[in-house]
Amino acid sequence: AQKITQTQPGMFVQEKEAVTLDCTYDTSDQSYGLFWYKQPSSGEMIFLIYQGSYDEQNATEGRYSLNFQKARKSANLVISASQLGDSAMYFCAMREGGSARQLTFGSGTQLTVLP
Amino acid sequence: DTGVSQDPRHKITKRGQNVTFRCDPISEHNRLYWYRQTLGQGPEFLTYFQNEAQLEKSRLLSDRFSAERPKGSFSTLEIQRTEQGDSAMYLCASRRTSGTLGDTQYFGPGTRLTVL
Repeated sequence: AQKITQTQPGMFVQEKEAVTLDCTYDTSDQSYGLFWYKQPSSGEMIFLIYQGSYDEQNATEGRYSLNFQKARKSANLVISASQLGDSAMYFCAMREGGSARQLTFGSGTQLTVLP
Repeated sequence: DTGVSQDPRHKITKRGQNVTFRCDPISEHNRLYWYRQTLGQGPEFLTYFQNEAQLEKSRLLSDRFSAERPKGSFSTLEIQRTEQGDSAMYLCASRRTSGTLGDTQYFGPGTRLTVL
């Protein structure tokens, strides 16, 4: 079974509108972390936001927020007030178990912001 | 902090040649990770170091791959007898033992390898 599932290969959003990128995960661990990264065409993975499995509140970082629904095992990224520079590939990732562990990534969602 | 740096950014080589990539982590980050990303996919874990010790290796890391972190600072990833299937982006990431953002890994710009 896929550990991280991103079902939207591509998404379009109008500039200044909000957009939600979906992510579901599968783990039997009680302690885990969920991450979102942005990868522009240049290739660098840019960290956006983190949510720990024991965090009771949804994480927020500026225009980014993570809609964490633990029972549904979903960790959707919400980008508010989209900007042209937000056009990029977005990856959801999970760290299971001990904090030293590696990340497992989804297949990504290509977001295009339209002027 | 200066970010994670990787060198070279691009490498084109002929099949059968050996290549070596370097990663310099963020200073004082004691954990260093290597990932491989093929076109249209998310990164896949290869190996990770805590200080100079290589603590975990993925089954993706065949015998032709070797990684080192001799003094617990920079790391090298060597691929011997390259094959066309090795063509990918090789990403390095580092993190602290603990931090206010949990266990966030910070990535370098990657080395894009093309094997002809």
